[in-house]
Amino acid sequence: EAQVTQNPRYLITVTGKKLTVTCSQNMNHEYMSWYRQDPGLGLRQIYYSMNVEVTDKGDVPEGYKVSRKEKRNFPLILESPSPNQTSLYFCASRYSHTLKGSSGANVLTFGAGSRLTVL
Amino acid sequence: AQSVTQLGSHVSVSEGALVLLRCNYSSSVPPYLFWYVQYPNQGLQLLLKYTSAATLVKGINGFEAEFKKSETSFHLTKPSAHMSDAAEYFCAVSNAGNMLTFGGGTRLMVKP
Repeated sequence: EAQVTQNPRYLITVTGKKLTVTCSQNMNHEYMSWYRQDPGLGLRQIYYSMNVEVTDKGDVPEGYKVSRKEKRNFPLILESPSPNQTSLYFCASRYSHTLKGSSGANVLTFGAGSRLTVL
Repeated sequence: AQSVTQLGSHVSVSEGALVLLRCNYSSSVPPYLFWYVQYPNQGLQLLLKYTSAATLVKGINGFEAEFKKSETSFHLTKPSAHMSDAAEYFCAVSNAGNMLTFGGGTRLMVKP
């Protein structure tokens, strides 16, 4: 089954304790992205990656790091979590290429989400 | 820069009534427009998308949306609500690049 898998699904941690949220996709997608979802704000992009070893900042990158060493994996790293990073996080992926038009029309496949609480 | 505004963070309808969820966008170039749905404790899944073909787009579960360039709108409708439609709905805009911008979301509640 084609899917994006995130782990952990739920995590409670304390301020300053480094954590990593893993994301893996089995669709051979070039493009991967991380979003955070907060009430009333919709989804905001944290980082995205066009392909292996290519990453770029989204709208809210502060306090986060990412890496893309393999095509299928795109972990999100919080080096020193703070309470304002309490949120619901989603990883998503899609193809970068397209037969016509542009890749902006390609549909994202989302993971089930990771709910993070930082105390 | 592109942006999306969804009017109404909560919408309540009776089962069998018309569903109308509003979305207005701004984009400096012709946009691609999407509606995603999020059921409780799940990720987002695509309902429908507009990519400059027909302005009336039909999606899954009886939903459809009409692209109106003059009004910069992409409202989502369904003629008759079902209890299973209760979820949060997100409108999103993309261009030829890699930024997908989401609206704040509208939570749809369906009353029996």
